[in-house]
Amino acid sequence: GAGVSQSPSNKVTEKGKDVELRCDPISGHTALYWYRQSLGQGLEFLIYFQGNSAPDKSGLPSDRFSAERTGGSVSTLTIQRTQQEDSAVYLCASSFRARDTNSPLHFGNGTRLTVT
Amino acid sequence: ILNVEQSPQSLHVQEGDSTNFTCSFPSSNFYALHWYRWETAKSPEALFVMTLNGDEKKKGRISATLNTKEGYSYLYIKGSQPEDSATYLCAPTGAQKLVFGQGTRLTINP
Repeated sequence: GAGVSQSPSNKVTEKGKDVELRCDPISGHTALYWYRQSLGQGLEFLIYFQGNSAPDKSGLPSDRFSAERTGGSVSTLTIQRTQQEDSAVYLCASSFRARDTNSPLHFGNGTRLTVT
Repeated sequence: ILNVEQSPQSLHVQEGDSTNFTCSFPSSNFYALHWYRWETAKSPEALFVMTLNGDEKKKGRISATLNTKEGYSYLYIKGSQPEDSATYLCAPTGAQKLVFGQGTRLTINP
């Protein structure tokens, strides 16, 4: 079946512009996660959704970052007034449900964001 | 916030040798421990999800053990092959989210 789909795969933007990253999870997966990997760093948690609710937004780096999920499916991560330090690979993952401790995460291929 | 430590950060192993590395995490408020393999230019792939103290799981030449009382998990690779070269990530679950360690970067030398 279809896996987690992210778009675009690559995005180059000028400093100060807004960008939207999209994630389409596996059908039936109620939990959705956003992570990012900056150069030379590990996976940094940003936010997760259970259904359309985001119980934990603690990882969002600043108020320039926001995310939403509609219909319990597609999620968009928006970065306003991008800065060079926002350059990273943004990974989305989904799982059957967040409280199911046996559910592994299924990752998309990521969006590589470059802010010039 | 869960403090996850993985060691070593990087490891070079000769093809055919066996190896292991460690994931340490707080033993309180434990739900489950995930292991993932992340190959270059690919997305992370789940290896194991472990929940019970003393649990041991195996997938081909790769196996993992879990000690929830002392807060650690070991990942073992037997007879390393070049295709095992990857970053291995562990992630304990706290309340609901998964917090990843920095990973162990494994390189298999032919």
